Amino acid sequence: DAEITQSPRHKITETGRQVTLACHQTWNHNNMFWYRQDLGHGLRLIHYSYGVHDTNKGEVSDGYSVSRSNTEDLPLTLESAASSQTSVYFCASSLAGAPDTQYFGPGTRLTVL
Amino acid sequence: AQKVTQAQTEISVVEKEDVTLDCVYETRDTTYYLFWYKQPPSGELVFLIRRNSFDEQNEISGRYSWNFQKSTSSFNFTITASQVVDSAVYFCALSEIINTDKLIFGTGTRLQVFP
Repeated sequence: DAEITQSPRHKITETGRQVTLACHQTWNHNNMFWYRQDLGHGLRLIHYSYGVHDTNKGEVSDGYSVSRSNTEDLPLTLESAASSQTSVYFCASSLAGAPDTQYFGPGTRLTVL
Repeated sequence: AQKVTQAQTEISVVEKEDVTLDCVYETRDTTYYLFWYKQPPSGELVFLIRRNSFDEQNEISGRYSWNFQKSTSSFNFTITASQVVDSAVYFCALSEIINTDKLIFGTGTRLQVFP
């Protein structure tokens, strides 16, 4: 069955370290997204991609980067982790075209100490 | 600007009660899509429904129903005869044609169903 996976599921790191969160989907979806979920804010868009080599900034992109070298993967990198980046991170994917349903991965809980 | 408001932060009901979760949205686009997602205590986000702006018909799926009213910019979600398994955080979201596929989420409503 097609799916979307995230790894690791839990991560503890220290301030200033570089961290990469993986997202892999087997839906063959062109569109991929990264969100963060914080209490009182719902989910907010960090970065998104409409296809290979395409990346775009979302609402809360500062301190994050992504790259898309193939259809299946969109890794999210925190260049220098900060305590404000402690959050739950969700990856999602959808088909191209008119706003299509986004299907979400299980989430990664990141703690920055 | 686009915005989704879920004014109810938390709702508590007793099993078998009906409950309505409110969602009000703002958009300048004439073509848009609305979504509801469920986030149970296990944490994953589960897609419930997608509705486009041209389809104002109410939808029913088992105990779930959705009432879309463009006149009041609302897309409310009703659970009939609630069950403990309905306990979750529910998110309403908006996606505009001009911002293709970007979802704007509300802050969510936590529903607790007590036995």
